[in-house]
Amino acid sequence: GNSVTQMEGPVTLSEEAFLTINCTYTATGYPSLFWYVQYPGEGLQLLLKATKADDKGSNKGFEATYRKETTSFHLEKGSVQVSDSAVYFCALTKAGTALIFGKGTTLSVSS
Amino acid sequence: DSGVTQTPKHLITATGQRVTLRCSPRSGDLSVYWYQQSLDQGLQFLIQYYNGEERAKGNILERFSAQQFPDLHSELNLSSLELGDSALYFCASSVDGSTGNTIYFGEGSWLTVV
Repeated sequence: GNSVTQMEGPVTLSEEAFLTINCTYTATGYPSLFWYVQYPGEGLQLLLKATKADDKGSNKGFEATYRKETTSFHLEKGSVQVSDSAVYFCALTKAGTALIFGKGTTLSVSS
Repeated sequence: DSGVTQTPKHLITATGQRVTLRCSPRSGDLSVYWYQQSLDQGLQFLIQYYNGEERAKGNILERFSAQQFPDLHSELNLSSLELGDSALYFCASSVDGSTGNTIYFGEGSWLTVV
């Protein structure tokens, strides 16, 4: 079945450091891929998405490229801020099915 | 603000009881999803409705049921509650549930079973 695997956390970084959170997926065909973010005490917010191979999603300085050849959708940011501290979820959906989420990666950024 | 409204935000109830969680989707969205988030299970898909009809079922227990009404709001009913049902329950909505549609989440309903 379809599944998403993302790197275990927590990820602890200093402000202005480079961030990568790895995400790989298993699915037949061409799923749509998403990154959602959950700030402390809040719901899930869509961060970015990509719907076809080689698409790059970007938002708020975060980027992720849909790589069909490696079945990956790694999240990157060049310079993280304390306000980026949150839990990040990689997810996929295919053929109108509900989102399937990874287990989430906690990011903690210190000043 | 995602436009998805969930009530109540917090709920504490006893084992064996029944509760109803309510969700109003974004204006114009026809598809509604329910998810459960717990520390041990992560984010689990429960059920999806599209324009009043059940479209997909995930890991929903038989003690749980849901429906989507003609005005498109949805309710998730949880009965014979157990301690392990304590979790954050999210409602989400999308335009028509097609692949590539953005799915927007509400802020969740925190359920504590004591």
